[in-house]
Amino acid sequence: AQSVAQPEDQVNVAEGNPLTVKCTYSVSGNPYLFWYVQYPNRGLQFLLKYITGDNLVKGSYGFEAEFNKSQTSFHLKKPSALVSDSALYFCAVRDDTGFQKLVFGTGTRLLVSP
Amino acid sequence: EPEVTQTPSHQVTQMGQEVILRCVPISNHLYFYWYRQILGQKVEFLVSFYNNEISEKSEIFDDQFSVERPDGSNFTLKIRSTKLEDSAMYFCASKGVRDEQYFGPGTRLTVT
Repeated sequence: AQSVAQPEDQVNVAEGNPLTVKCTYSVSGNPYLFWYVQYPNRGLQFLLKYITGDNLVKGSYGFEAEFNKSQTSFHLKKPSALVSDSALYFCAVRDDTGFQKLVFGTGTRLLVSP
Repeated sequence: EPEVTQTPSHQVTQMGQEVILRCVPISNHLYFYWYRQILGQKVEFLVSFYNNEISEKSEIFDDQFSVERPDGSNFTLKIRSTKLEDSAMYFCASKGVRDEQYFGPGTRLTVT
């Protein structure tokens, strides 16, 4: 079964510093990986995806993610954090059976301090 | 930009009552999903729906749950007899030909 792990419950970073939110995955076939962000009392917003191709994927709001097959990781990155980036971030993998439900990680809370 | 909408934003109900959560997916999407998120926990898959029938459901989606698409736009989740443990945020999502799913803002269900 497909799964993702987010080893950090919370990441703290100062505004202007680079940020990384970690995700590792376990899949039986080709990985289809996603990052979503959830702001308080809001739904999940799609940030970016990796399906195939370049290992560095660019997404919304200046975020990018690096796919590393040997380390089975898909870490979310941003070169310069903003206070407004503070939110809950979910890594997800698409299940290749059935109709492609998403399997989510437990989420990482990102806190960016001024 | 088209988006998924959900109503109501918050539903309070008594244990044993029926609730219907409503969603309007993005208009040209063909795949529809319900997920739920119990407070402080991760997002869990409930059910997927394609071509007017359930395509996959999780263990959570027992006989108390049902989904339907009564017309060309709405997609509903019904819980027949709510339990305290059904209290959660329920998210609807839809997907078109691209790979990503788009989520609605959620309905917070509180069962008392």
